[in-house]
Amino acid sequence: QVQLVESGGGVVQPGRSLRLSCAASGFTFSSFGIHWVRQAPGKGLEWVAVISYGGDEKYYANSVKGRFTISRDNSKNTLYLQINSLRAEDTAVYYCAKVAYIYDTRIPNFDYWGQGTLVTVSS
Amino acid sequence: QSALTQPRSVSGSPGQSVTISCTGTSSDVGGYDYVSWCQQYPGKAPKLMIFDVTKRPSGVPDRFSGSKSGNTAFLTISGLQAEDEADYYCCSYEGRYTGVIFGEGTKLTVL
Repeated sequence: QVQLVESGGGVVQPGRSLRLSCAASGFTFSSFGIHWVRQAPGKGLEWVAVISYGGDEKYYANSVKGRFTISRDNSKNTLYLQINSLRAEDTAVYYCAKVAYIYDTRIPNFDYWGQGTLVTVSS
Repeated sequence: QSALTQPRSVSGSPGQSVTISCTGTSSDVGGYDYVSWCQQYPGKAPKLMIFDVTKRPSGVPDRFSGSKSGNTAFLTISGLQAEDEADYYCCSYEGRYTGVIFGEGTKLTVL
């Protein structure tokens, strides 16, 4: 069955960096775009970034552009999110979500989600 | 890049129908047939309930339906059940800037 498992979250000081991972299984990882979506405590869902199935297309929300970098290693079935210069407002649960259509990147039909990993930015 | 507009809360009694709206612009909801709806229980990951405005993934009850008119999309839940009580988010493809935009979220209470 399809599984997405995020890891890498934790408590981090402002200004530091963190790399989140999303390990995928149960489907042909290299054929689907994958998104990162975050949710601050008690708040709604916020789209963060997406990477195409081959890794050549990447798009970011304006709120994270320049600080976040999305990447993937299709040989390891793993998605990454490098977060630099962490701010208090980056505190959130970070989810990876798979698109439903093969070879698609940006259509937001997220048919599978991970359980999320919590990032807390605090001194 | 403001979020799509949803009512903060809606409610209904078991067996009744409720409709949740999701209002955007011609650059997102109104411009593409790529609106989806997710259900989220507290502390859990979202679950896809409707995609491409009207389509239901396998396993989602046919009590859930989607539609769109102009710049507003709708999620209708008929025959309300207690387990439908959750937060619901709409999501749309956005052609101008980010590519994806979420709604503010709506809390559904089953009375």
